[in-house]
Amino acid sequence: QQQVKQSPQSLIVQKGGISIINCAYENTAFDYFPWYQQFPGKGPALLIAIRPDVSEKKEGRFTISFNKSAKQFSLHIMDSQPGDSATYFCADGDSSASKIIFGSGTRLSIRP
Amino acid sequence: DVKVTQSSRYLVKRTGEKVFLECVQDMDHENMFWYRQDPGLGLRLIYFSYDVKMKEKGDIPEGYSVSREKKERFSLILESASTNQTSMYLCASSSGGWSYEQYFGPGTRLTVT
Repeated sequence: QQQVKQSPQSLIVQKGGISIINCAYENTAFDYFPWYQQFPGKGPALLIAIRPDVSEKKEGRFTISFNKSAKQFSLHIMDSQPGDSATYFCADGDSSASKIIFGSGTRLSIRP
Repeated sequence: DVKVTQSSRYLVKRTGEKVFLECVQDMDHENMFWYRQDPGLGLRLIYFSYDVKMKEKGDIPEGYSVSREKKERFSLILESASTNQTSMYLCASSSGGWSYEQYFGPGTRLTVT
């Protein structure tokens, strides 16, 4: 079973700091790498996604960095805010199918 | 806005009971999914469906079955609930083709005693 390995399991960052969550994938055929954000009591929701033909994608304070040779990708949250406190899941997917494989999740807490 | 609804937010059942979890989406999506979420294990795919009456096993199908009689509705069935099926169950839907965004429901917290 192909996996995507996510770290750390939990992360505490001061308000205004940079939060960094890392993921490593196995299957080089996968060509879709999304990040989902989940608040307590809610289902996950798509935050940002990248395809491996680019090395970086930025949306506001959120940036995905993609390293194809290392088979790694990461989420950076700049100027982290208490409202960013949530669980984050990386995932990878295959364009020939509609399902994706999720990482184990990172619980992020931003201290005011 | 896409809306995915699940029949219950919290459910308590006894060991051996048959349990039905219902999911409805209102965006005419082809694909529907059932996941379970456990701390440290992330989201694990139980079953998914590409179309009405079609289903495929995910990574952890043992002890579960599904039914999709209508496009908007996808049911998860625990034939004989066991304590190790205590978990958060999440339903999701997505459109076909290159659009991979999955829209999730709020989840059902199932406790089997």
